[in-house]
Amino acid sequence: ETGVTQSPTHLIKTRGQQVTLRCSSQSGHNTVSWYQQALGQGPQFIFQYYREEENGRGNFPPRFSGLQFPNYSSELNVNALELDDSALYLCATRDGTRNEQFFGPGTRLTVL
Amino acid sequence: RKEVEQDPGPFNVPEGATVAFNCTYSNSASQSFFWYRQDCRKEPKLLMSVYSSGNEDGRFTAQLNRASQYISLLIRDSKLSDSATYLCVVNNRDDKIIFGKGTRLHILP
Repeated sequence: ETGVTQSPTHLIKTRGQQVTLRCSSQSGHNTVSWYQQALGQGPQFIFQYYREEENGRGNFPPRFSGLQFPNYSSELNVNALELDDSALYLCATRDGTRNEQFFGPGTRLTVL
Repeated sequence: RKEVEQDPGPFNVPEGATVAFNCTYSNSASQSFFWYRQDCRKEPKLLMSVYSSGNEDGRFTAQLNRASQYISLLIRDSKLSDSATYLCVVNNRDDKIIFGKGTRLHILP
């Protein structure tokens, strides 16, 4: 077990709705990254937070936003959901001085 | 050209065989490299970091060739439990983390 937890495990939403996904960091890990993984694809980098500030972003529109809290837990918010947002959403945490990441079990989002 | 490209797979290999995965990356400023393993419907798990000098962990050997922008993973004496998808990961200088699409491996009894 990595010590990284995510909630909820599964979620069903309809097009146009908003969703918030949560990630609790492994102890001592101050950096969190979020990924979207569609079926049959590798994880796609959404963004990364270090000490509550976004410090890296992939090719995702602004309706994908995030937060990191003082205890290093994190949220991913997606507004105006589209059918193509259906995917497994993974968070990964790491100690900012090392590059090895540890993943949570993911949240499977289905948009109808 | 994709930022990280892997062998398309799947690889169907008999138990005990040696398997080699290849990965190329396009950004010459990339800083760190990893291989992850992902089982069906599970999260990716770190298998190995990849260093310029090459590194070995039991049956697994990883190599990095910066000049050719190429990473490899070798699995010797493959086991049924090695069946999974293997993901190549590259960290760029701007902290952008790029995963390859993954190569699925099936070890056949």
